[in-house]
Amino acid sequence: DAGVIQSPRHEVTEMGQEVTLRCKPISGHNSLFWYRQTMMRGLELLIYFNNNVPIDDSGMPEDRFSAKMPNASFSTLKIQPSEPRDSAVYFCASSLSPGQGQYGYTFGSGTRLTVV
Amino acid sequence: QQQVKQSPQSLIVQKGGISIINCAYENTAFDYFPWYQQFPGKGPALLIAIRPDVSEKKEGRFTISFNKSAKQFSLHIMDSQPGDSATYFCAASKGSGTYKYIFGTGTRLKVLA
Repeated sequence: DAGVIQSPRHEVTEMGQEVTLRCKPISGHNSLFWYRQTMMRGLELLIYFNNNVPIDDSGMPEDRFSAKMPNASFSTLKIQPSEPRDSAVYFCASSLSPGQGQYGYTFGSGTRLTVV
Repeated sequence: QQQVKQSPQSLIVQKGGISIINCAYENTAFDYFPWYQQFPGKGPALLIAIRPDVSEKKEGRFTISFNKSAKQFSLHIMDSQPGDSATYFCAASKGSGTYKYIFGTGTRLKVLA
């Protein structure tokens, strides 16, 4: 099992540019989560999907952020336009749904985003 | 009420010593309390988890102690090793249809050789 795969590992972009982060969850997992990690705010849940449907996007900071999950094996987090305060490490995680046993999340290795 | 408060922010322990990290929560609806371990450049990884129907859970050198009445839980690392040096996060979630973790702010542990 390759685990949760995120790409790219590092992204440096200029303010105002569009950024797309990608995630491939573990096969068979039907919940997917996007987290943002910063020193100041720790791990913040941005959005989570269950069976490809967005369940809770209350953590999405503003309309510049959007997330999609077109199928069970792929999700994207897009920031348009990007701003320096978006600089952070973005993690994707996947898990089995509630009721299928709480085995915890499996996190990817993250994408370190720097907006200059 | 949704917060999970974690302390200390950082911890230095001698090799062989006991590392203790504490977390407190307010929401009595939380019913699942995992701990995650994160090494630099990696995502957090599940270490051990507990439900409130037990007061303690042990896996190897790692033990969670849970105090339901005080709404507190803690991670104890016995015989701490330099390889345990990492950032540790506690978390809490409500079961029954939701799977949203609230994470603590993290504790950076350094075990001296």
